Amino acid sequence: GENVEQHPSTLSVQEGDSAVIKCTYSDSASNYFPWYKQELGKGPQLIIDIRSNVGEKKDQRIAVTLNKTAKHFSLHITETQPEDSAVYFCAARVGGTSYGKLTFGQGTILTVHP
Amino acid sequence: DAGITQSPRYKITETGRQVTLMCHQTWSHSYMFWYRQDLGHGLRLIYYSAAADITDKGEVPDGYVVSRSKTENFPLTLESATRSQTSVYFCASSRFSGRGDTQYFGPGTRLTVL
Repeated sequence: GENVEQHPSTLSVQEGDSAVIKCTYSDSASNYFPWYKQELGKGPQLIIDIRSNVGEKKDQRIAVTLNKTAKHFSLHITETQPEDSAVYFCAARVGGTSYGKLTFGQGTILTVHP
Repeated sequence: DAGITQSPRYKITETGRQVTLMCHQTWSHSYMFWYRQDLGHGLRLIYYSAAADITDKGEVPDGYVVSRSKTENFPLTLESATRSQTSVYFCASSRFSGRGDTQYFGPGTRLTVL
């Protein structure tokens, strides 16, 4: 089955700096890659996603890039703010499955220091 | 708009007891999912359901039972709880299993098995 590896497991940055989280996947048939943000005591929330026919997608301070050849995708957060502090999860969905099964990475704890 | 809710939010039980975690969504989404979240493992799929009366196993189904008699409810039962089932459980739903349809997560249930 699909396997998703996420790095780093923890990331500490100063407010205003950029943060980058990277994920690799194993199944070349994966075609959908969402990123979720989980705040303390809450469920994960989708923040951005990318499909396999697109190389990059941007939404204000957040961007995601996808390299299908290398089978990796990354989350980029620019001008980080303390409220960006959370756990971030990447996920991958293998195309052709009938129920949209997502395989998640292990998570990255992002801390933004004021 | 209530969205997706889970109950109870916290539960402490003893080994061998039966426990049922409830999940309810108000969007009439077809697909529903149960995940468990453990440190170092990210989110792992336990069971999913494509519609009322249609359920199937995910990655880690052993020791769990699900049912879906109504579209809006998807309870998860631990028939005889074990310490290894101590975890945070998340329910999620999506409108359909189209290419990359968003999964929306509930707030989670923290279960402790003593």
